[in-house]
Amino acid sequence: DTGVSQDPRHKITKRGQNVTFRCDPISEHNRLYWYRQTLGQGPEFLTYFQNEAQLEKSRLLSDRFSAERPKGSFSTLEIQRTEQGDSAMYLCASSSLGGLPQETQYFGPGTRLLVL
Amino acid sequence: QKEVEQDPGPLSVPEGAIVSLNCTYSNSAFQYFMWYRQYSRKGPELLMYTYSSGNKEDGRFTAQVDKSSKYISLFIRDSQPSDSATYLCAMRGGGNKLTFGTGTQLKVEL
Repeated sequence: DTGVSQDPRHKITKRGQNVTFRCDPISEHNRLYWYRQTLGQGPEFLTYFQNEAQLEKSRLLSDRFSAERPKGSFSTLEIQRTEQGDSAMYLCASSSLGGLPQETQYFGPGTRLLVL
Repeated sequence: QKEVEQDPGPLSVPEGAIVSLNCTYSNSAFQYFMWYRQYSRKGPELLMYTYSSGNKEDGRFTAQVDKSSKYISLFIRDSQPSDSATYLCAMRGGGNKLTFGTGTQLKVEL
C-alpha cells in the first residue's frame, strides 16, 4: 500500500495525559499536512511541512500541540495535557510540490482520539 | 460567517437518482476546488478537482464551478447505494491549506 498511513488508528486517553500520533506520507511527497475533524464538521487545517520545515501553523494549534517532521519523511503530532475538547479525528495528508493536479492532497485514514 | 457553506443534510435519494450537492464560498482568493468523499470513520478520498469555471466530468460525477457566483456543485448520476457517504467540498487560494465545508451526508436507498 503506497497511500498515507497513520498510527494509531484509535486512541483513548484520560484528561491530562500526553498523546503522540504518527503519519507516514506517500513516499515521494515532500509536503505534509495535519488537519483536525470533529463530529459533523469538515476537516480544519492545523499545520503543514515542506520537507522538514514547518511553514504554517493555524491559530487552532495551541501551545499544547507540537508537530515535527525531523527528516522530512514521517511526522509526529503531540498533544500535551489533553483536554476533552481535543477529542476528534486527526487527519494527515501529503502532496508533492509541483505535483499534478495542482498539488492535490491525499489523506490518510486518520487517528480517532477520545479524551475521557 | 464561515468561508465555505455547505448544507449538512442528511440527503436521502432512491437508487438511480441524480444527486446535486452544493457549496458557496465568500473568499474571492479561492482558486482551486475539490470534492472529497468520506465514508464513516475513514479519511477523505479525492473525487474531483477543478480550477476553472465550467464543468468537469469523470464517469458518473460532474463538478461545476461558477466563480462569479462563488458557487460550486457536484452532480452524481445514476446514484448507487455505494455512493452513500459524506461529501466534502474543499477549496484553496494561492496558499496550501484546504478550507472545507461541513460535508453533506448522502444516503442512496435501494
